Amino acid sequence: AQKITQTQPGMFVQEKEAVTLDCTYDTSDPSYGLFWYKQPSSGEMIFLIYQGSYDQQNATEGRYSLNFQKARKSANLVISASQLGDSAMYFCAMREGLISGTYKYIFGTGTRLKVLA
Amino acid sequence: GAGVSQSPSNKVTEKGKDVELRCDPISGHTALYWYRQSLGQGLEFLIYFQGNSAPDKSGLPSDRFSAERTGGSVSTLTIQRTQQEDSAVYLCASSLRTGGTGNTIYFGEGSWLTVV
Repeated sequence: AQKITQTQPGMFVQEKEAVTLDCTYDTSDPSYGLFWYKQPSSGEMIFLIYQGSYDQQNATEGRYSLNFQKARKSANLVISASQLGDSAMYFCAMREGLISGTYKYIFGTGTRLKVLA
Repeated sequence: GAGVSQSPSNKVTEKGKDVELRCDPISGHTALYWYRQSLGQGLEFLIYFQGNSAPDKSGLPSDRFSAERTGGSVSTLTIQRTQQEDSAVYLCASSLRTGGTGNTIYFGEGSWLTVV
């Protein structure tokens, strides 16, 4: 079974608009972390934001926020005021902790975001 | 160093040859990860190290793939008898430690491998 699911292979958004990229996850581990990474066409993976399973507040980093709904096992990334430079591939990732016995990070298949001028 | 450094950045090799890919993690980072990304695809976990030991090597696709880490720092990923399906970007990442789910991993720029 997929541990991380990103159902939107591609998304378009108008410049200056907000966009939500979906991510759902599957784990039985009570302790886990959720991450979002951006991969521009140049190929590097850039860390954007982190949410811990025990965090009470949704994580925010500048224009990025993570809409964490634990009961629904979703961790959607919200980008506000989109910019042309936000055009990239976005990956959701999860790292389990307590039960799994492994500390590998599992990545989704990604969502390609295109910001339109 | 300031960031994760990988070499070579690009490698073209003939089918059947062996290749070595190198990763130099961020100074002080004890955890090191290798991932593979085929063109337009997601990231496929290969192996991770905590110090010099590899607690999870479940992602290595075949016995042609091996990795080692020495001195708790530099790691090499070796692919023997390369096949065309090995063509991909090999990404290395490091984090301060593995314990604690909040440890962010930071990636290098990758080694682009093309097997012809």
